[in-house]
Amino acid sequence: DAGVIQSPRHEVTEMGQEVTLRCKPISGHNSLFWYRQTMMRGLELLIYFNNNVPIDDSGMPEDRFSAKMPNASFSTLKIQPSEPRDSAVYFCASSDRGLYEQYFGPGTRLTVT
Amino acid sequence: AQKITQTQPGMFVQEKEAVTLDCTYDTSDQSYGLFWYKQPSSGEMIFLIYQGSYDEQNATEGRYSLNFQKARKSANLVISASQLGDSAMYFCAMRVTGSQGNLIFGKGTKLSVKP
Repeated sequence: DAGVIQSPRHEVTEMGQEVTLRCKPISGHNSLFWYRQTMMRGLELLIYFNNNVPIDDSGMPEDRFSAKMPNASFSTLKIQPSEPRDSAVYFCASSDRGLYEQYFGPGTRLTVT
Repeated sequence: AQKITQTQPGMFVQEKEAVTLDCTYDTSDQSYGLFWYKQPSSGEMIFLIYQGSYDEQNATEGRYSLNFQKARKSANLVISASQLGDSAMYFCAMRVTGSQGNLIFGKGTKLSVKP
């Protein structure tokens, strides 16, 4: 079975540009999580969905960040406009209601110059 | 507030020896779950082991075991017979009660296995 798929794996963009990160969860998983990892703050939850519905977006830094999950097999995290402090690795993870562990994607390394 | 603390920024271990990575947690809930993840230099997050707060026995998965001491609120990871491929960052995490599985993570411990 395919794991969590994220694209792109690397993104370099200039400040002010819009960035869209994509995630395909494991088939059959009903919970999806977006995390951000930086050296300073470690791993932080940004938002998570259950059955495609956003449950908690309190970790989203500010209005520049938005996330959607239009169906069970796809989610996006958008940053508009991007800023250098958004540079980080963004992970998507999914889990099944019946399981306890979350399975992570390979991450997207975002660099904003 | 729920919190995970990993006090060892870095650890060294000789190949084939056992090593313990420390993790303490803070929660007022009775029902919770504790996890360990491995992050090699390639960057992916790999699930290693899970312990539920009501599990009476310590979790084990191959060379990984979790030394769960509920009264002390500790959930240390023990890796037996270390291998060079075990060199990585290790994160302890706790599932927030009442959520759909949201995890909070510690800062991590960097383990280096010496040949």
